[in-house]
Amino acid sequence: NAGVMQNPRHLVRRRGQEARLRCSPMKGHSHVYWYRQLPEEGLKFMVYLQKENIIDESGMPKERFSAEFPKEGPSILRIQQVVRGDSAAYFCASSPRGLAGGDQETQYFGPGTRLLVL
Amino acid sequence: SQKIEQNSEALNIQEGKTATLTCNYTNYSPAYLQWYRQDPGRGPVFLLLIRENEKEKRKERLKVTFDTTLKQSLFHITASQPADSATYLCALANFGNEKLTFGTGTRLTIIP
Repeated sequence: NAGVMQNPRHLVRRRGQEARLRCSPMKGHSHVYWYRQLPEEGLKFMVYLQKENIIDESGMPKERFSAEFPKEGPSILRIQQVVRGDSAAYFCASSPRGLAGGDQETQYFGPGTRLLVL
Repeated sequence: SQKIEQNSEALNIQEGKTATLTCNYTNYSPAYLQWYRQDPGRGPVFLLLIRENEKEKRKERLKVTFDTTLKQSLFHITASQPADSATYLCALANFGNEKLTFGTGTRLTIIP
Protein backbone atom coordinates (compact mmCIF):
# COMPACT_ATOMS: atom_id res chain seq x y z
CA ASN A 1 0.00 0.00 0.00
CA ALA A 2 1.74 3.12 -1.21
CA GLY A 3 1.99 6.00 1.23
CA VAL A 4 1.01 9.60 0.68
CA MET A 5 2.70 10.90 -2.46
CA GLN A 6 3.66 14.48 -3.11
CA ASN A 7 5.20 16.10 -6.13
CA PRO A 8 7.32 17.78 -6.95
CA ARG A 9 9.69 17.15 -4.05
CA HIS A 10 11.52 20.39 -4.76
CA LEU A 11 10.17 23.45 -6.53
CA VAL A 12 12.00 26.66 -7.35
CA ARG A 13 10.02 29.71 -8.39
CA ARG A 14 10.83 33.37 -8.98
CA ARG A 15 8.84 36.05 -7.20
CA GLY A 16 5.50 36.60 -8.92
CA GLN A 17 5.23 33.13 -10.43
CA GLU A 18 2.69 30.48 -9.51
CA ALA A 19 3.43 27.33 -7.53
CA ARG A 20 1.31 24.17 -7.80
CA LEU A 21 1.85 21.41 -5.27
CA ARG A 22 0.21 18.03 -5.72
CA CYS A 23 -0.77 15.39 -3.19
CA SER A 24 -2.14 11.87 -3.70
CA PRO A 25 -3.54 10.45 -0.45
CA MET A 26 -3.12 6.88 0.67
CA LYS A 27 -5.43 4.38 -0.98
CA GLY A 28 -8.82 4.43 0.68
CA HIS A 29 -8.27 7.79 2.40
CA SER A 30 -10.69 10.54 1.48
CA HIS A 31 -9.49 13.19 3.94
CA VAL A 32 -6.57 15.42 3.02
CA TYR A 33 -4.76 18.05 5.09
CA TRP A 34 -2.09 20.56 4.12
CA TYR A 35 0.51 21.88 6.57
CA ARG A 36 3.35 24.35 6.17
CA GLN A 37 6.68 24.19 7.97
CA LEU A 38 8.72 27.36 7.90
CA PRO A 39 12.47 27.14 8.65
CA GLU A 40 13.05 26.59 12.39
CA GLU A 41 9.30 26.57 13.07
CA GLY A 42 6.72 23.90 13.77
CA LEU A 43 4.14 22.50 11.39
CA LYS A 44 1.16 24.82 10.93
CA PHE A 45 -2.23 23.64 9.70
CA MET A 46 -3.44 25.27 6.51
CA VAL A 47 -6.51 23.48 5.14
CA TYR A 48 -8.58 20.31 5.45
CA LEU A 49 -10.43 18.90 2.45
CA GLN A 50 -12.61 15.98 1.54
CA LYS A 51 -13.45 15.05 -2.01
CA GLU A 52 -14.79 18.16 -3.77
CA ASN A 53 -15.20 20.03 -0.48
CA ILE A 54 -13.13 22.39 1.63
CA ILE A 55 -14.01 21.58 5.23
CA ASP A 56 -11.71 23.89 7.21
CA GLU A 57 -9.47 26.56 5.67
CA SER A 58 -8.84 28.50 8.86
CA GLY A 59 -5.06 28.25 8.44
CA MET A 60 -4.90 29.47 4.86
CA PRO A 61 -3.60 32.96 4.15
CA LYS A 62 -6.46 35.13 2.92
CA GLU A 63 -4.86 35.95 -0.42
CA ARG A 64 -2.91 34.09 -3.11
CA PHE A 65 -3.44 30.61 -1.58
CA SER A 66 -6.08 28.12 -2.67
CA ALA A 67 -6.62 24.38 -2.40
CA GLU A 68 -8.80 21.81 -4.08
CA PHE A 69 -9.43 18.07 -3.95
CA PRO A 70 -11.36 17.11 -7.07
CA LYS A 71 -13.45 14.00 -7.51
CA GLU A 72 -10.72 12.53 -9.68
CA GLY A 73 -7.02 13.17 -9.28
CA PRO A 74 -4.75 14.57 -6.59
CA SER A 75 -5.29 17.42 -4.20
CA ILE A 76 -3.68 20.66 -5.35
CA LEU A 77 -2.31 23.51 -3.25
CA ARG A 78 -1.90 26.57 -5.41
CA ILE A 79 0.10 29.66 -4.52
CA GLN A 80 -0.24 32.61 -6.87
CA GLN A 81 2.31 35.41 -7.19
CA VAL A 82 4.76 33.79 -4.81
CA VAL A 83 6.91 35.90 -2.49
CA ARG A 84 10.12 35.00 -0.66
CA GLY A 85 8.17 34.46 2.56
CA ASP A 86 6.36 31.53 0.92
CA SER A 87 9.61 29.54 0.94
CA ALA A 88 8.91 26.56 3.19
CA ALA A 89 8.24 22.84 3.26
CA TYR A 90 4.63 22.01 2.46
CA PHE A 91 3.33 18.71 3.76
CA CYS A 92 0.21 16.87 2.83
CA ALA A 93 -1.39 14.28 5.11
CA SER A 94 -4.31 11.93 4.68
CA SER A 95 -6.47 10.02 7.12
CA PRO A 96 -8.98 7.19 6.99
CA ARG A 97 -11.65 9.00 9.01
CA GLY A 98 -15.07 7.63 8.30
CA LEU A 99 -13.86 4.05 8.10
CA ALA A 100 -14.63 1.60 10.86
CA GLY A 101 -11.92 0.46 13.23
CA GLY A 102 -8.40 1.54 14.06
CA ASP A 103 -7.10 4.96 14.97
CA GLN A 104 -9.20 6.84 12.45
CA GLU A 105 -7.78 10.16 13.55
CA THR A 106 -4.23 9.23 12.59
CA GLN A 107 -2.83 11.42 9.85
CA TYR A 108 -0.23 9.97 7.52
CA PHE A 109 2.19 12.46 6.04
CA GLY A 110 3.84 12.65 2.66
CA PRO A 111 7.52 13.50 2.13
CA GLY A 112 6.74 17.16 1.50
CA THR A 113 7.42 19.68 -1.24
CA ARG A 114 10.21 22.13 -0.55
CA LEU A 115 9.41 25.43 -2.19
CA LEU A 116 12.16 27.96 -2.72
CA VAL A 117 11.24 31.41 -3.98
CA LEU A 118 14.11 33.37 -5.49
CA SER B 1 -4.34 31.58 23.16
CA GLN B 2 -3.59 27.87 22.74
CA LYS B 3 0.00 26.95 23.34
CA ILE B 4 1.98 23.71 23.08
CA GLU B 5 5.48 23.50 24.49
CA GLN B 6 7.96 20.67 24.14
CA ASN B 7 10.87 20.45 26.55
CA SER B 8 14.17 21.80 25.34
CA GLU B 9 14.93 22.11 21.69
CA ALA B 10 17.61 19.44 21.96
CA LEU B 11 18.12 16.43 24.20
CA ASN B 12 21.21 14.19 24.33
CA ILE B 13 20.88 10.74 25.86
CA GLN B 14 23.40 7.93 26.26
CA GLU B 15 22.67 4.80 24.26
CA GLY B 16 20.77 2.21 26.27
CA LYS B 17 19.19 4.76 28.61
CA THR B 18 15.56 5.88 28.59
CA ALA B 19 14.80 9.10 26.77
CA THR B 20 11.85 11.10 28.15
CA LEU B 21 10.30 13.92 26.15
CA THR B 22 7.68 16.30 27.50
CA CYS B 23 4.73 18.00 25.85
CA ASN B 24 2.82 20.65 27.84
CA TYR B 25 -0.22 22.53 26.65
CA THR B 26 -2.32 25.46 27.84
CA ASN B 27 -5.75 26.82 26.92
CA TYR B 28 -6.56 23.52 25.26
CA SER B 29 -8.80 20.54 25.96
CA PRO B 30 -7.61 17.98 23.44
CA ALA B 31 -9.62 14.91 22.59
CA TYR B 32 -6.45 13.09 21.68
CA LEU B 33 -2.73 13.57 21.38
CA GLN B 34 -0.31 12.09 18.87
CA TRP B 35 3.46 11.71 18.73
CA TYR B 36 5.38 11.83 15.47
CA ARG B 37 8.99 11.36 14.46
CA GLN B 38 10.56 13.57 11.82
CA ASP B 39 13.95 12.99 10.22
CA PRO B 40 15.77 15.81 8.37
CA GLY B 41 14.27 16.45 4.94
CA ARG B 42 11.37 14.05 5.50
CA GLY B 43 7.74 14.15 6.52
CA PRO B 44 6.54 13.31 10.04
CA VAL B 45 5.97 9.61 10.73
CA PHE B 46 3.15 8.63 13.08
CA LEU B 47 4.20 6.78 16.23
CA LEU B 48 1.42 6.70 18.82
CA LEU B 49 -2.03 8.16 19.52
CA ILE B 50 -3.52 8.47 22.99
CA ARG B 51 -7.05 9.64 23.79
CA GLU B 52 -8.18 11.90 26.62
CA ASN B 53 -9.69 8.98 28.56
CA GLU B 54 -6.48 6.91 28.34
CA LYS B 55 -3.63 7.24 30.82
CA GLU B 56 -0.93 5.25 29.08
CA LYS B 57 -0.18 3.54 25.79
CA ARG B 58 2.72 1.33 24.74
CA LYS B 59 4.20 0.14 21.48
CA GLU B 60 7.40 -1.89 21.56
CA ARG B 61 10.06 0.37 23.19
CA LEU B 62 7.75 3.40 23.18
CA LYS B 63 5.45 4.54 25.97
CA VAL B 64 3.17 7.58 26.10
CA THR B 65 1.33 8.96 29.11
CA PHE B 66 -1.40 11.58 29.07
CA ASP B 67 -2.34 13.60 32.17
CA THR B 68 -5.25 15.94 31.40
CA THR B 69 -5.07 17.44 34.91
CA LEU B 70 -1.43 18.47 34.51
CA LYS B 71 -2.06 19.16 30.80
CA GLN B 72 1.00 17.12 29.95
CA SER B 73 2.10 14.13 27.91
CA LEU B 74 5.35 12.24 28.43
CA PHE B 75 6.95 10.21 25.65
CA HIS B 76 9.48 7.55 26.66
CA ILE B 77 11.89 5.56 24.51
CA THR B 78 13.45 2.73 26.50
CA ALA B 79 16.76 1.04 25.62
CA SER B 80 17.49 3.93 23.28
CA GLN B 81 19.56 3.38 20.15
CA PRO B 82 21.44 5.79 17.85
CA ALA B 83 18.76 5.06 15.21
CA ASP B 84 16.23 6.75 17.51
CA SER B 85 17.95 10.09 16.90
CA ALA B 86 15.40 12.39 15.25
CA THR B 87 13.04 15.27 16.02
CA TYR B 88 9.93 14.22 17.91
CA LEU B 89 6.72 16.20 17.58
CA CYS B 90 3.61 16.14 19.71
CA ALA B 91 0.31 17.14 18.14
CA LEU B 92 -3.11 17.76 19.64
CA ALA B 93 -6.64 17.88 18.26
CA ASN B 94 -9.97 18.84 19.75
CA PHE B 95 -12.94 16.54 19.54
CA GLY B 96 -14.68 17.08 16.22
CA ASN B 97 -11.87 19.28 14.94
CA GLU B 98 -9.78 17.70 12.27
CA LYS B 99 -6.72 19.87 12.35
CA LEU B 100 -3.64 18.94 14.35
CA THR B 101 -1.79 21.61 16.33
CA PHE B 102 1.89 20.76 16.58
CA GLY B 103 4.56 21.62 19.09
CA THR B 104 7.89 22.84 17.75
CA GLY B 105 9.55 19.51 18.47
CA THR B 106 12.45 18.14 20.49
CA ARG B 107 15.61 17.12 18.64
CA LEU B 108 16.80 13.91 20.29
CA THR B 109 20.34 12.61 19.86
CA ILE B 110 21.31 9.18 21.18
CA ILE B 111 25.03 9.09 21.85
CA PRO B 112 26.76 5.72 21.27
